[in-house]
Formats: sequence, C-alpha cells, structure tokens
Amino acid sequence: DGGITQSPKYLFRKEGQNVTLSCEQNLNHDAMYWYRQDPGQGLRLIYYSQIVNDFQKGDIAEGYSVSREKKESFPLTVTSAQKNPTAFYLCASTSPGKRRNIQYFGAGTRLSVL
Amino acid sequence: SQQGEEDPQALSIQEGENATMNCSYKTSINNLQWYRQNSGRGLVHLILIRSNEREKHSGRLRVTLDTSKKSSSLLITASRAADTASYFCATAPNDYKLSFGAGTTVTVRA
Repeated sequence: DGGITQSPKYLFRKEGQNVTLSCEQNLNHDAMYWYRQDPGQGLRLIYYSQIVNDFQKGDIAEGYSVSREKKESFPLTVTSAQKNPTAFYLCASTSPGKRRNIQYFGAGTRLSVL
Repeated sequence: SQQGEEDPQALSIQEGENATMNCSYKTSINNLQWYRQNSGRGLVHLILIRSNEREKHSGRLRVTLDTSKKSSSLLITASRAADTASYFCATAPNDYKLSFGAGTTVTVRA
C-alpha cells in the first residue's frame, strides 16, 4: 500500500528531552511538510522540504528541527526549547506536476508532556 | 499564518439533511481546497477549485468560489453518519504551501 506512515502514534516527552517523530512515504513525492494541530484549531506549518537536503521554516519553526537526507523520510525533532510541545503532529507530502498542491497526510502523532 | 476562516465552527444536522459551511480568506489565491478530518486522524483531500472556477462538484459535494468576496462554500447533500468529521478549507497562495483554517465540526445525527 502506498502512503505516509507516521510513528509512533503516541509519544511522551519528559522535561528537557528532545524527541523525534518519524515520517516515511512511499509515494515518490518530492515535497514533504510538518504541521502542528492544537485542539479545536487548524494546522500550522512547522517546516517543509521541496527536495532532498533542502528545507524551509514554516510559521512556527522555533523549538523544532528537521532533516531531509532521503526522499522518503522527513523526521521532525521537538527540542527542549519548545516549551509547549503538547499537540497533534501531522506529516504530509505532495506529488510533482499538476496535483502538486494537493497534500496527502499521515495518521498523525500525538505528543504529550509528562 | 492561517488565512482561511470557516463558519460556523460547529454544525449539527439530521441524517439526510444538507450541510453548508463557508470559508473566507484574505489574500489572492491560486486555488482553494477542502479537506476532511475524522477524529484523531489525518486530513483527507476532498476537492480543489481553481481561482478561475466558480463551482465544482464531486459526488455529494458541491463547492463554490467567489474571488470577489474572497469566500468559498462547501455543501454536503443528503448527509450520512459517516460524514461526521471536521472540515477544513485550505488556500494556496503559491504552488507549494497551503494555509488552513480552524475548521467546521459537523455532527450528523441518526
């Protein structure tokens, strides 16, 4: 099955700890995105990458870091500098060509602070 | 930054009724999209309407776009329990980024 896989589904972070959320896609998509969703709110863009080894900050990049070493993978690290990390995190990707604006989403990772 | 704003925030309807929700946005767009999110899940793309289109249909979905008023509406006809979800509009100022609204939560009662 083609799609986007996010893991883990639930994640708990201790004070001062960095945690990494995984996002893998087998859709051969070039662009990948990370969003944060807080209860009752829309999605806010954290980082995005249009191509391997390149990524750009979104609207709320502070306290987060990413890497894009492989086309299939776009992991997100929530660092200790992110003081309010509790949220639902969504990864998405888009295909090239005419449908490049349509985003395909993973099932999400729910991060909580212990 | 969130450009789109959906209205109403929540909507409760009887099965078989129609559901209408609206989206307003602030700046010019290439296209506008609607997505659905079931509780605790990722978003699923429903429909895309380009800035030069006024209306588009997909199954029981009908989307309109009025660029002069910077607004769009999503109509779900003959609603079913499975339509219970949150619906988000997303505007595309360029080819690579989307800006999502806060969503409309739709509950379809049996």
